[in-house]
Amino acid sequence: DAGITQSPRYKITETGRQVTLMCHQTWSHSYMFWYRQDLGHGLRLIYYSAAADITDKGEVPDGYVVSRSKTENFPLTLESATRSQTSVYFCASSESIGTAVCTFGSGTRLTVV
Amino acid sequence: GNSVTQMEGPVTLSEEAFLTINCTYTATGYPSLFWYVQYPGEGLQLLLKATKADDKGSNKGFEATYRKETTSFHLEKGSVQVSDSAVYFCALFNQGAQKLVFGQGTRLTINP
Repeated sequence: DAGITQSPRYKITETGRQVTLMCHQTWSHSYMFWYRQDLGHGLRLIYYSAAADITDKGEVPDGYVVSRSKTENFPLTLESATRSQTSVYFCASSESIGTAVCTFGSGTRLTVV
Repeated sequence: GNSVTQMEGPVTLSEEAFLTINCTYTATGYPSLFWYVQYPGEGLQLLLKATKADDKGSNKGFEATYRKETTSFHLEKGSVQVSDSAVYFCALFNQGAQKLVFGQGTRLTINP
Protein backbone atom coordinates (compact mmCIF):
# COMPACT_ATOMS: atom_id res chain seq x y z
CA ASP A 1 0.00 0.00 0.00
CA ALA A 2 1.17 3.50 -0.76
CA GLY A 3 1.88 5.71 2.18
CA ILE A 4 4.00 6.00 5.26
CA THR A 5 4.04 3.07 7.66
CA GLN A 6 5.35 2.94 11.19
CA SER A 7 5.99 -0.19 13.20
CA PRO A 8 5.28 -1.32 15.78
CA ARG A 9 2.13 0.60 16.75
CA TYR A 10 2.71 -0.13 20.42
CA LYS A 11 5.86 -1.12 22.28
CA ILE A 12 6.69 -1.69 25.92
CA THR A 13 10.35 -1.98 26.82
CA GLU A 14 12.49 -1.95 29.91
CA THR A 15 14.88 0.77 31.00
CA GLY A 16 18.31 0.29 29.49
CA ARG A 17 17.21 -1.81 26.52
CA GLN A 18 17.82 -0.85 22.93
CA VAL A 19 14.71 -0.44 20.81
CA THR A 20 14.25 0.49 17.17
CA LEU A 21 11.19 2.12 15.68
CA MET A 22 10.70 1.60 11.98
CA CYS A 23 9.42 4.01 9.35
CA HIS A 24 8.85 3.20 5.70
CA GLN A 25 7.47 5.43 2.94
CA THR A 26 6.54 4.44 -0.60
CA TRP A 27 6.66 7.82 -2.37
CA SER A 28 10.45 8.21 -2.57
CA HIS A 29 10.14 11.50 -0.71
CA SER A 30 13.53 13.07 -0.10
CA TYR A 31 12.84 14.40 3.38
CA MET A 32 11.96 12.32 6.41
CA PHE A 33 11.45 13.36 10.02
CA TRP A 34 11.03 11.89 13.49
CA TYR A 35 8.95 13.73 16.07
CA ARG A 36 7.92 12.88 19.58
CA GLN A 37 4.60 14.02 20.98
CA ASP A 38 4.27 14.73 24.67
CA LEU A 39 1.49 16.38 26.63
CA GLY A 40 2.20 20.08 27.02
CA HIS A 41 5.00 20.06 24.46
CA GLY A 42 3.23 19.34 21.22
CA LEU A 43 5.52 17.82 18.61
CA ARG A 44 9.26 18.15 18.96
CA LEU A 45 11.67 17.26 16.19
CA ILE A 46 14.20 14.57 17.08
CA TYR A 47 16.07 14.03 13.80
CA TYR A 48 15.50 14.67 10.14
CA SER A 49 17.01 13.56 6.88
CA ALA A 50 17.26 15.41 3.59
CA ALA A 51 18.23 12.34 1.55
CA ALA A 52 19.78 8.90 1.88
CA ASP A 53 22.91 9.06 4.04
CA ILE A 54 22.16 12.65 5.11
CA THR A 55 20.79 13.16 8.61
CA ASP A 56 20.76 16.04 11.05
CA LYS A 57 19.74 16.72 14.62
CA GLY A 58 16.51 18.35 15.56
CA GLU A 59 15.41 19.92 18.80
CA VAL A 60 15.70 16.86 21.11
CA PRO A 61 18.25 14.37 19.66
CA ASP A 62 19.93 13.14 22.85
CA GLY A 63 19.56 9.40 23.41
CA TYR A 64 18.47 8.71 19.83
CA VAL A 65 20.25 7.47 16.74
CA VAL A 66 18.99 7.43 13.15
CA SER A 67 20.19 6.05 9.86
CA ARG A 68 19.04 6.40 6.27
CA SER A 69 20.77 3.86 4.07
CA LYS A 70 17.77 3.75 1.71
CA THR A 71 15.48 6.60 0.71
CA GLU A 72 12.35 4.78 1.82
CA ASN A 73 13.44 3.78 5.33
CA PHE A 74 14.29 5.94 8.32
CA PRO A 75 14.62 3.89 11.53
CA LEU A 76 14.93 5.53 14.93
CA THR A 77 16.92 3.73 17.62
CA LEU A 78 16.89 4.39 21.32
CA GLU A 79 20.28 3.09 22.37
CA SER A 80 19.49 2.70 26.08
CA ALA A 81 15.85 3.50 26.76
CA THR A 82 14.92 5.73 29.68
CA ARG A 83 11.52 6.45 31.23
CA SER A 84 11.69 10.02 29.92
CA GLN A 85 11.55 8.56 26.42
CA THR A 86 8.05 7.24 27.01
CA SER A 87 6.14 9.06 24.31
CA VAL A 88 4.27 8.79 21.03
CA TYR A 89 6.67 8.88 18.10
CA PHE A 90 5.67 10.09 14.66
CA CYS A 91 7.54 9.68 11.43
CA ALA A 92 6.83 12.05 8.55
CA SER A 93 8.00 12.57 5.00
CA SER A 94 7.98 15.46 2.56
CA GLU A 95 8.57 15.58 -1.16
CA SER A 96 10.24 18.95 -1.05
CA ILE A 97 11.34 21.00 1.89
CA GLY A 98 10.20 24.04 -0.03
CA THR A 99 6.55 23.07 0.23
CA ALA A 100 6.98 22.07 3.88
CA VAL A 101 3.92 19.83 3.59
CA CYS A 102 4.54 16.71 5.63
CA THR A 103 2.67 13.43 5.55
CA PHE A 104 2.64 11.66 8.88
CA GLY A 105 2.53 8.03 9.88
CA SER A 106 0.05 6.77 12.46
CA GLY A 107 2.57 6.82 15.27
CA THR A 108 4.26 4.40 17.67
CA ARG A 109 3.29 4.56 21.32
CA LEU A 110 6.40 3.62 23.32
CA THR A 111 6.32 2.91 27.03
CA VAL A 112 9.57 2.49 28.95
CA VAL A 113 9.14 0.76 32.29
CA GLY B 1 14.32 31.76 17.04
CA ASN B 2 11.18 30.29 15.57
CA SER B 3 8.27 29.41 17.83
CA VAL B 4 4.51 28.94 17.77
CA THR B 5 2.08 29.60 20.62
CA GLN B 6 -1.45 28.24 20.61
CA MET B 7 -4.32 28.94 22.93
CA GLU B 8 -4.57 26.65 25.91
CA GLY B 9 -6.94 23.75 25.64
CA PRO B 10 -8.97 21.76 25.93
CA VAL B 11 -11.80 23.53 24.13
CA THR B 12 -15.33 22.15 24.39
CA LEU B 13 -18.16 23.44 22.22
CA SER B 14 -21.65 22.44 21.23
CA GLU B 15 -22.44 21.40 17.69
CA GLU B 16 -23.00 24.33 15.30
CA ALA B 17 -21.06 26.74 17.53
CA PHE B 18 -18.47 29.15 16.13
CA LEU B 19 -14.87 28.08 16.62
CA THR B 20 -11.71 30.13 17.02
CA ILE B 21 -8.36 28.64 17.99
CA ASN B 22 -5.70 31.31 18.41
CA CYS B 23 -2.18 30.91 17.08
CA THR B 24 0.66 33.43 17.18
CA TYR B 25 4.20 32.96 16.00
CA THR B 26 7.71 34.31 16.28
CA ALA B 27 9.98 33.92 13.30
CA THR B 28 12.70 35.58 11.32
CA GLY B 29 11.96 36.35 7.71
CA TYR B 30 8.74 35.28 6.05
CA PRO B 31 7.57 31.86 7.22
CA SER B 32 4.82 29.71 5.76
CA LEU B 33 2.05 28.85 8.23
CA PHE B 34 0.03 25.68 8.62
CA TRP B 35 -2.75 24.06 10.55
CA TYR B 36 -2.55 20.30 11.03
CA VAL B 37 -5.29 18.14 12.55
CA GLN B 38 -4.88 14.87 14.46
CA TYR B 39 -7.95 12.67 14.78
CA PRO B 40 -8.00 10.09 17.59
CA GLY B 41 -5.49 7.29 17.04
CA GLU B 42 -4.11 8.77 13.85
CA GLY B 43 -1.16 10.79 12.64
CA LEU B 44 -1.31 14.46 11.74
CA GLN B 45 -2.94 15.58 8.52
CA LEU B 46 -2.50 18.90 6.79
CA LEU B 47 -5.70 20.95 7.16
CA LEU B 48 -4.73 24.22 5.47
CA LYS B 49 -1.80 26.48 4.81
CA ALA B 50 -0.82 30.03 3.82
CA THR B 51 2.52 30.98 2.38
CA LYS B 52 2.52 34.78 2.50
CA ALA B 53 0.99 37.71 4.34
CA ASP B 54 -2.76 38.22 3.86
CA ASP B 55 -3.19 34.77 2.29
CA LYS B 56 -6.22 32.87 3.51
CA GLY B 57 -6.03 29.10 3.75
CA SER B 58 -9.28 27.16 3.76
CA ASN B 59 -10.43 23.55 3.81
CA LYS B 60 -13.46 21.59 5.12
CA GLY B 61 -15.11 24.82 6.30
CA PHE B 62 -12.05 25.90 8.29
CA GLU B 63 -10.24 29.15 7.50
CA ALA B 64 -7.14 30.95 8.70
CA THR B 65 -5.63 34.24 7.51
CA TYR B 66 -1.92 35.00 7.64
CA ARG B 67 -1.66 38.29 9.56
CA LYS B 68 1.89 39.58 9.51
CA GLU B 69 1.09 42.75 11.47
CA THR B 70 -0.17 40.72 14.43
CA THR B 71 1.99 37.62 13.73
CA SER B 72 -1.12 35.48 13.94
CA PHE B 73 -2.82 32.63 12.09
CA HIS B 74 -6.04 31.98 13.97
CA LEU B 75 -8.17 29.01 12.93
CA GLU B 76 -11.93 29.60 12.52
CA LYS B 77 -14.99 27.63 11.55
CA GLY B 78 -18.51 28.98 11.45
CA SER B 79 -20.40 25.87 12.51
CA VAL B 80 -18.55 22.94 14.05
CA GLN B 81 -19.63 19.32 13.90
CA VAL B 82 -19.02 16.39 16.22
CA SER B 83 -16.66 14.98 13.59
CA ASP B 84 -14.38 18.02 14.06
CA SER B 85 -13.35 16.72 17.48
CA ALA B 86 -9.57 16.35 17.26
CA VAL B 87 -6.29 17.96 18.27
CA TYR B 88 -5.30 20.95 16.16
CA PHE B 89 -1.69 22.03 15.67
CA CYS B 90 -0.48 25.34 14.34
CA ALA B 91 2.94 25.20 12.68
CA LEU B 92 5.39 27.38 10.82
CA PHE B 93 8.06 26.64 8.29
CA ASN B 94 10.99 28.95 7.91
CA GLN B 95 13.04 28.46 4.75
CA GLY B 96 16.26 29.17 6.60
CA ALA B 97 15.70 26.58 9.31
CA GLN B 98 14.23 24.07 6.83
CA LYS B 99 11.93 22.35 9.29
CA LEU B 100 8.42 22.62 10.66
CA VAL B 101 7.99 24.05 14.14
CA PHE B 102 4.76 23.06 15.90
CA GLY B 103 2.70 24.63 18.62
CA GLN B 104 1.67 22.53 21.58
CA GLY B 105 -1.70 21.56 20.12
CA THR B 106 -5.27 22.35 21.15
CA ARG B 107 -7.70 19.55 21.91
CA LEU B 108 -11.19 20.32 20.60
CA THR B 109 -14.27 18.38 21.70
CA ILE B 110 -17.65 19.00 20.07
CA ASN B 111 -20.73 17.79 21.95
CA PRO B 112 -23.96 16.94 20.09
